[in-house]
Amino acid sequence: GAVVSQHPSRVICKSGTSVKIECRSLDFQATTMFWYRQFPKQSLMLMATSNEGSKATYEQGVEKDKFLINHASLTLSTLTVTSAHPEDSSFYICSARDMGQGDEKLFFGSGTQLSVL
Amino acid sequence: SQKIEQNSEALNIQEGKTATLTCNYTNYSPAYLQWYRQDPGRGPVFLLLIRENEKEKRKERLKVTFDTTLKQSLFHITASQPADSATYLCALDGQRAGTASKLTFGTGTRLQVTL
Repeated sequence: GAVVSQHPSRVICKSGTSVKIECRSLDFQATTMFWYRQFPKQSLMLMATSNEGSKATYEQGVEKDKFLINHASLTLSTLTVTSAHPEDSSFYICSARDMGQGDEKLFFGSGTQLSVL
Repeated sequence: SQKIEQNSEALNIQEGKTATLTCNYTNYSPAYLQWYRQDPGRGPVFLLLIRENEKEKRKERLKVTFDTTLKQSLFHITASQPADSATYLCALDGQRAGTASKLTFGTGTRLQVTL
């Protein structure tokens, strides 16, 4: 099956710093990737849809200037949490569809646990 | 408002029994419904997809049903094993909101299979 690699798996940072999370599709091309956030014992919440070569589409209530998304190639999308604060501490997960498989299932990265001190 | 509801209480069953998890939704008209497995600290893994015109889908020990009248899906694991212990998420496409390419997830049900 298709593989999505996400890095880093865990990051601890000081308040006010920026953190970049990378999401790569290893064996397929992904024109669209999705970024989710998950708080403990809660559902995955879609933050934004990352589109290769164009601007990301953000969900209502998600600050685009705080969560910068760049999808510069067909295999890489990055999420940068700018000026991180403790309330940004969460589990961030990226996902993508392998359109070559012709269906709607998502392949997820392993997630990034962000802890802001 | 749109809702996807799964039993938030953990489901504890004995090894060898059949586990049945429920997903109910309101104010959606999904073209399909998906089930994922999520282990602690990991991303979800796709299990099964069932379309609106399908009543039942099977894959090895897994079975999913989809009742668009009741707006409900049931997910069954037969002959359950301790390795099946995980959180199971259902997900719908946001067709009603005109966002057919995006999935919305339920909160998940944690399954614990004991010896």
